[in-house]
Amino acid sequence: GIQVEQSPPDLILQEGANSTLRCNFSDSVNNLQWFHQNPWGQLINLFYIPSGTKQNGRLSATTVATERYSLLYISSSQTTDSGVYFCAVTGNQFYFGTGTSLTVIP
Amino acid sequence: GAGVSQSPRYKVTKRGQDVTLRCDPISSHATLYWYQQALGQGPEFLTYFNYEAQPDKSGLPSDRFSAERPEGSISTLTIQRTEQRDSAMYRCASSSRDRGEQYFGPGTRLTVT
Repeated sequence: GIQVEQSPPDLILQEGANSTLRCNFSDSVNNLQWFHQNPWGQLINLFYIPSGTKQNGRLSATTVATERYSLLYISSSQTTDSGVYFCAVTGNQFYFGTGTSLTVIP
Repeated sequence: GAGVSQSPRYKVTKRGQDVTLRCDPISSHATLYWYQQALGQGPEFLTYFNYEAQPDKSGLPSDRFSAERPEGSISTLTIQRTEQRDSAMYRCASSSRDRGEQYFGPGTRLTVT
């Protein structure tokens, strides 16, 4: 199966700081999504981004499919950004990464 | 419906009992997925459906696990003879097409005592 690795595994930020989360995958994929698992456990869709760059408010994402990685940028972080960020890819099956646990402190 | 719904939200059962979890996908969505998520880990794929067809059930951990989607809408995941290692969050997602953008329900937290 496809290996999906995310880095860093844990991240602590001061409110207002910027960060970049990375997702590396081991094989070609049909699509890629970023999710935010909030402290209540709900998986929230952030981006559906098989390739290219998208932006949504303070968040943006870039996927370079030929080099098998994706980046999630969080700018001006807020305490509500805390939680776990997952990258998920689709090849022959469906694979989630190991997640990045983000804590934003006021 | 407007979003993916799952029931029950929480289930506590004794080892050896059978449990059935339910997923109601977004009404226009053809594809439905089941995942298992252990505490502190990412979701792991179990199986999926395109309408009634079940193209891939290779992620089901044992023959105690089975899933159905008889009318191409609501799906159930059944675990027979539950074991403590089955304790996890079970998540359902749906998408408008195979390998399309997935939308997740709130999950069912299963605890086997």
